[in-house]
Amino acid sequence: QKEVEQNSGPLSVPEGAIASLNCTYSDRVSQSFFWYRQYSGKSPELIMSIYSNGDKEDGRFTAQLNKASQYVSLLIRDSQPSDSATYLCAVNRSGGSNYKLTFGKGTLLTVNP
Amino acid sequence: GAVVSQHPSRVICKSGTSVKIECRSLDFQATTMFWYRQFPKQSLMLMATSNEGSKATYEQGVEKDKFLINHASLTLSTLTVTSAHPEDSSFYICSARGHVPAYQETQYFGPGTRLLVL
Repeated sequence: QKEVEQNSGPLSVPEGAIASLNCTYSDRVSQSFFWYRQYSGKSPELIMSIYSNGDKEDGRFTAQLNKASQYVSLLIRDSQPSDSATYLCAVNRSGGSNYKLTFGKGTLLTVNP
Repeated sequence: GAVVSQHPSRVICKSGTSVKIECRSLDFQATTMFWYRQFPKQSLMLMATSNEGSKATYEQGVEKDKFLINHASLTLSTLTVTSAHPEDSSFYICSARGHVPAYQETQYFGPGTRLLVL
């Protein structure tokens, strides 16, 4: 079983729609969860971090965490063509003094004008 | 805040030469820096973790004698690819996390260095 799993996509949504990106993880003791956006040829850029169950909103982005289901998602409202990128889910497996992140393979999102 | 720079952004070298890549945290002190490699259309692969003043910890399968990492200060880590070969051509990305609470949990990425070995 892969440690962090994402649907590779591509996920295609029309401009203005809600894009929903999903991620599951296998390590139950994971404590910190991150969504990064990576444009083609560029390095990852932090979008959201979430540590507690529930929703966390930041502008058009909402991260949702359900530790019981080992599931974290990212919703992008009013999707724009500029949101087209690969979205990487990352999990800090052990917390404490070990801050290594385990990344999923990413979901490619395409927002069509 | 939380800006990480890398230099150079792109390098082309001949097979057999060594290449040094610098990673700097510009506005915070980085307790830990991480080095990743990414091949086209693949995900990030962690190569090593470096803590200031101590030896780097390499991931399984990464040759420590080939990829030399030095983390001499809280704002600078370097990766040296020794005797580079064409198969080392890749996108090398560093990230840094800070030792103050605001930056402690999160890794902030540099812009990456694209290495092409001829």
